[in-house]
Amino acid sequence: DGGITQSPKYLFRKEGQNVTLSCEQNLNHDAMYWYRQDPGQGLRLIYYSQIVNDFQKGDIAEGYSVSREKKESFPLTVTSAQKNPTAFYLCASSETAYNEQFFGPGTRLTVL
Amino acid sequence: EDKVVQSPLSLVVHEGDTVTLNCSYEVTNFRSLLWYKQEKKAPTFLFMLTSSGIEKKSGRLSSILDKKELFSILNITATQTGDSAVYLCAVRAGNQFYFGTGTSLTVIP
Repeated sequence: DGGITQSPKYLFRKEGQNVTLSCEQNLNHDAMYWYRQDPGQGLRLIYYSQIVNDFQKGDIAEGYSVSREKKESFPLTVTSAQKNPTAFYLCASSETAYNEQFFGPGTRLTVL
Repeated sequence: EDKVVQSPLSLVVHEGDTVTLNCSYEVTNFRSLLWYKQEKKAPTFLFMLTSSGIEKKSGRLSSILDKKELFSILNITATQTGDSAVYLCAVRAGNQFYFGTGTSLTVIP
């Protein structure tokens, strides 16, 4: 059963704590992406990776970090430097950087 | 600054109506324009457009791109309650994707 999974679905953290969001795909896609979605705003790109061991900053990378050690996995760490981390986070993948993206179910992060 | 603007922000129609959603963009190094439907959580892919004037069709949905005027439209004919969702437009510019804020469509019986 192919697809993109994100975990957890809901996450609560205290201010000042780092937290890591998981994103896994078994579609054999080269490219993976992290977006943030806030009410009344479109999806904003945090980081993307076109190939293993390489990733690039998107428009709002400050306060976030990623790694791409395996093709299937692209975890996102929300650090304490992120000023307003409460949001809905979506991970996506595409066969190559030129193809359409497929999205995971998302993680809703709430920082208390 | 690259940007994607969708209109209207929201729309309420009756079942059976036809709707047209708009997406205009200003980006450098345009590669493609994509439409997604977002119902609860994950956006699902509808269309990818790269060439002007060629309509893409899937059932009651169709879309077309005008690269000269920098916009795209998404048409939905004979709307059903299951079409209620947020419709997102995204533009690939270089290696990045830029999303509009979406159009929220509500179809009432």
